[in-house]
Amino acid sequence: AQTVTQSQPEMSVQEAETVTLSCTYDTSESDYYLFWYKQPPSRQMILVIRQEAYKQQNATENRFSVNFQKAAKSFSLKISDSQLGDAAMYFCAYLGAGKSTFGDGTTLTVKP
Amino acid sequence: DTGVSQNPRHKITKRGQNVTFRCDPISEHNRLYWYRQTLGQGPEFLTYFQNEAQLEKSRLLSDRFSAERPKGSFSTLEIQRTEQGDSAMYLCASSLAVGPVTEAFFGQGTRLTVV
Repeated sequence: AQTVTQSQPEMSVQEAETVTLSCTYDTSESDYYLFWYKQPPSRQMILVIRQEAYKQQNATENRFSVNFQKAAKSFSLKISDSQLGDAAMYFCAYLGAGKSTFGDGTTLTVKP
Repeated sequence: DTGVSQNPRHKITKRGQNVTFRCDPISEHNRLYWYRQTLGQGPEFLTYFQNEAQLEKSRLLSDRFSAERPKGSFSTLEIQRTEQGDSAMYLCASSLAVGPVTEAFFGQGTRLTVV
């Protein structure tokens, strides 16, 4: 079975600074996808960024980028120029053959 | 298209009662997922459908839980004889699984409280 581990229950960052959220996973599959989702308080989950395992190039979406290390099974999220609106719970998710597995999340606080 | 829609948004029920939730996915999406999320935790996979076929069920889905997607469009999740431990947010998501996988789009969830 696949597992996803987010070792940082809480993180904080100063506005305009950079923060990195960690995620590791375990799988025996060779073809899969990894995602970071954002869940603001009492609001629905939205996709931040996705990475296909077969792609070596790290995905980037504006201020959000990932560091994907397939051999180490690591998938961290870097948020640059943090904004107050980035405050939320962030979930790392694995999608293999149909079934998806989420980590327990990291609560990000952005300090003005 | 207004995205994934879930109804009701909130449900309070007495222990032992049956409840049913509905999920309307994005219209062209062929995959539909159900998750359960408790406070401070990540979503836990319950089951997913490819069109009308239920392809996988988690061991979390006890015999009190049943999900259907009869016409490959909307889906229902029923919980029979609810228990206090069933109190959680139930999330539905849909995706289009043709060729490269796209992300799952989530609904706003149904918050169940069993009293």
